[in-house]
Order: sequence, then C-alpha cells, then structure tokens
Amino acid sequence: LAKTTQPISMDSYEGQEVNITCSHNNIATNDYITWYQQFPSQGPRFIIQGYKTKVTNEVASLFIPADRKSSTLSLPRVSLSDTAVYYCLVGGLGSQGNLIFGKGTKLSVKP
Amino acid sequence: NAGVTQTPKFRILKIGQSMTLQCTQDMNHNYMYWYRQDPGMGLKLIYYSVGAGITDKGEVPNGYNVSRSTTEDFPLRLELAAPSQTSVYFCASSYKRDSYEQYFGPGTRLTVT
Repeated sequence: LAKTTQPISMDSYEGQEVNITCSHNNIATNDYITWYQQFPSQGPRFIIQGYKTKVTNEVASLFIPADRKSSTLSLPRVSLSDTAVYYCLVGGLGSQGNLIFGKGTKLSVKP
Repeated sequence: NAGVTQTPKFRILKIGQSMTLQCTQDMNHNYMYWYRQDPGMGLKLIYYSVGAGITDKGEVPNGYNVSRSTTEDFPLRLELAAPSQTSVYFCASSYKRDSYEQYFGPGTRLTVT
C-alpha cells in the first residue's frame, strides 16, 4: 500500500478555492487515488477518485500529474460547510476490502 | 433510501457490561464492514462480511463479535466492555469488496468507564 503524506491542517476563507495536495511517491501502477471527506460526528463520505490527469464531479476536481507521485484535491469556492477532514487514499484497500485511512487534512473554512 | 443507519448514536457502558451496536443498510449491498475510529486517527477494520451468513475478522477483532443473518443487518456485539473499546464505531457497506466507494453510517460514540 502506497504511503501518503498530507498537510495536517489548512485554513481558508469562504469563497476561496482550496487545494489539498497529497504526496504518494511509491504509488503502484494499478493504484487509484481516492478522496474521502469526514464532517465532525459523521462517517466518511466518498468525494472523488482518479487514476491520471483530471477528474471533475459536482463536488470537487482531482488533478494528477503524469508521474502520479502526487495529487491535488481542488474544492471550488468553499463555504463554511466544507469544514471537515479530508483523507487521501492510494491503493487504499486492505486484503479484506477495507479502506486504509491516514490522519487526513483538517480544513477549517472561516467567514 | 436511508443508506446505512446505526443505533444507538451514543452509549456509556460500565467496564464488564455488554451491548450490541446495530447496523442496517437498504442498498442491497453484499459487503458490510465495522470500523472503529479513535480520536485524531484513521479507521481500523474490526470485522467484515461478504454476504449473509459469512463474516471474517479484520485488523482489530478482539473483544467483538458479529453475525450476518440477513443482507440488510450487521450487528456488532461487545462482550465484557473495556476502556480500550472507547471509540467511535462506523458501519459501512459496499457493492463490491474491492470498491473504493464505501457508504458509511453516522457512527456510534461509545464510552466505557
């Protein structure tokens, strides 16, 4: 399983674009990159997944450079409700199909 | 479509007591999981199930038991509660075992004193 490194915390203001970068230098050829969001007192929620280049959905964009050694989750025009912990998972499935979470990035959005 | 539901939301147990955490999903998913999350940490797998009647241990199964008599329900039993079991417990389900998209319940916050 590829080890991931994310910032422990980030601060932003409402209306700004937020980019959270995840480093995964030893990503394997068949690994996907997946991001989860967890609000306080809630279970994690799948946000987006990608393999290479760029993926966009109604919530976020995921940018993956050609070497795939890092990825960036982009949240456009954040609001207070985007305050949460964001987890980057790379090849993040254990042998039982479980998700392997790190400590994540705590994003705080201020008014 | 309620997704994954868990009861209770909060519970305080005394050392040595037992309880069952309930988990139900209405998405007809075959795969279900129980995780625990300690403060400031990621999730650790306790038990999982690949279908009714089939369960198996995860990373941290000691002190817990599960059963899966129906596709919808996957209760987690704590026997002889210990302070080390103070945690937030999440139930999740997925359509496929190798799915990165798992659906989580709201969690049960358990304190053992």
